Amino acid sequence: AQTVTQSQPEMSVQEAETVTLSCTYDTSESDYYLFWYKQPPSRQMILVIRQEAYKQQNATENRFSVNFQKAAKSFSLKISDSQLGDAAMYFCAYRSANMGGSEKLVFGKGTKLTVNP
Amino acid sequence: GAVVSQHPSWVICKSGTSVKIECRSLDFQATTMFWYRQFPKQSLMLMATSNEGSKATYEQGVEKDKFLINHASLTLSTLTVTSAHPEDSSFYICSATMGGRALEQYFGPGTRLTVT
Repeated sequence: AQTVTQSQPEMSVQEAETVTLSCTYDTSESDYYLFWYKQPPSRQMILVIRQEAYKQQNATENRFSVNFQKAAKSFSLKISDSQLGDAAMYFCAYRSANMGGSEKLVFGKGTKLTVNP
Repeated sequence: GAVVSQHPSWVICKSGTSVKIECRSLDFQATTMFWYRQFPKQSLMLMATSNEGSKATYEQGVEKDKFLINHASLTLSTLTVTSAHPEDSSFYICSATMGGRALEQYFGPGTRLTVT
């Protein structure tokens, strides 16, 4: 079974600074997808960024980028120019890409990000 | 686009009663819907996966007779908590996918259940 580990229960960053959230995963599959979701105080889950394992290029979405190291099974999220609205719980998630495989997401335990003004 | 709604957003019920939570995909057909449970300051725990017109697949440790899931149409799934007890109090979240090669799960806003 796949597992996702987020080793930082809490992180803090100063507004306008950069912060990196860590995520490692364990799988025997060669093809899969990785996601970062944000859950603000409203508790609505919001997709931040997605990475296909077969792509070597790291995904980027505006101020959000990932460092995907497939061999190390590492998938960290970098938030640049942090804003107060970035304060939230961040969850790393894994999904199998195998044909006929489950669509379900395996979540890490989350990292609470605080942004200090 | 790709909006998922849940109703109610919060509900209080008495111990021993049943409560139904609805999950609707508003602007797309959801071939698969997922139900999660989230305790305070914890991650999402998948309870079950449901496909339209078929029985739900429950995760290990989830009581299927207590948490009844019905995916009656491509836009509606319901979760019924039967004979609710205080320990069932939690935040319940649904999500939906379009199926096929679509990757993203679209999440509902969640339902807070309090059992007194």
